[in-house]
Amino acid sequence: IQLTQSPSSLSASVGDRVTITCRASQGISSYLAWYQQKPGKAPKLLIYAASTLQSGVPSRFSGSGSGTDFTLTISSLQPEDFATYYCQQLNSYLGYTFGQGTKLEIK
Amino acid sequence: EVQLVESGGGLVQPGGSLRLSCAASGFTFSSYAMSWVRQAPGKGLEWVSAISGSGGSTYYADSVKGRFTISRDNSKNTLYLQMNSLRAEDTAVYYCAKAGTTVTKGAFDIWGQGTMVTVSS
Repeated sequence: IQLTQSPSSLSASVGDRVTITCRASQGISSYLAWYQQKPGKAPKLLIYAASTLQSGVPSRFSGSGSGTDFTLTISSLQPEDFATYYCQQLNSYLGYTFGQGTKLEIK
Repeated sequence: EVQLVESGGGLVQPGGSLRLSCAASGFTFSSYAMSWVRQAPGKGLEWVSAISGSGGSTYYADSVKGRFTISRDNSKNTLYLQMNSLRAEDTAVYYCAKAGTTVTKGAFDIWGQGTMVTVSS
């Protein structure tokens, strides 16, 4: 199963609303997670089951979608949100594929 | 505190072998599937291998199948990755990650800090 994220990079300002999309090559129900990674650090789980916020993650993060099309939305960007974001499908032990990543940069 | 700590990375020649370890603490290790995920320098995340909580089921990415072996010792709360026939393209930071429950659809909720593997002559 292939995951295609868009855009690959994104420039935005503090306070902006941003949306990142992730498309699966075949249906994966809601077996999708979103991670945030900052330089030199391990990824951090933000959202699981496509739309459920992981404990401790700010409510400005939200996820939606099912089947093949998914989105991650940050409602009001904060300085600490500038990072790279990855989606991951967990539907098949054939490969827990990650998307190629979206780098969110400060405009 | 729930924690994963990797070790065993280093510099190895092409064709060589290396064994990575991941020590777990703060949770019932045997109850959870575990995975290895790698990240080549400047690149994205790549899932490498997974193992069930009992160790009875293992899964591999095509890129490492037949060369890497995942295992676990639940009595020692430790996950392993035996890497043989290493290639330059295996150069990466290797992370171990804990899978969540069926509620989280198995999302990787805890990650180690990573260990660097460099394959070069």
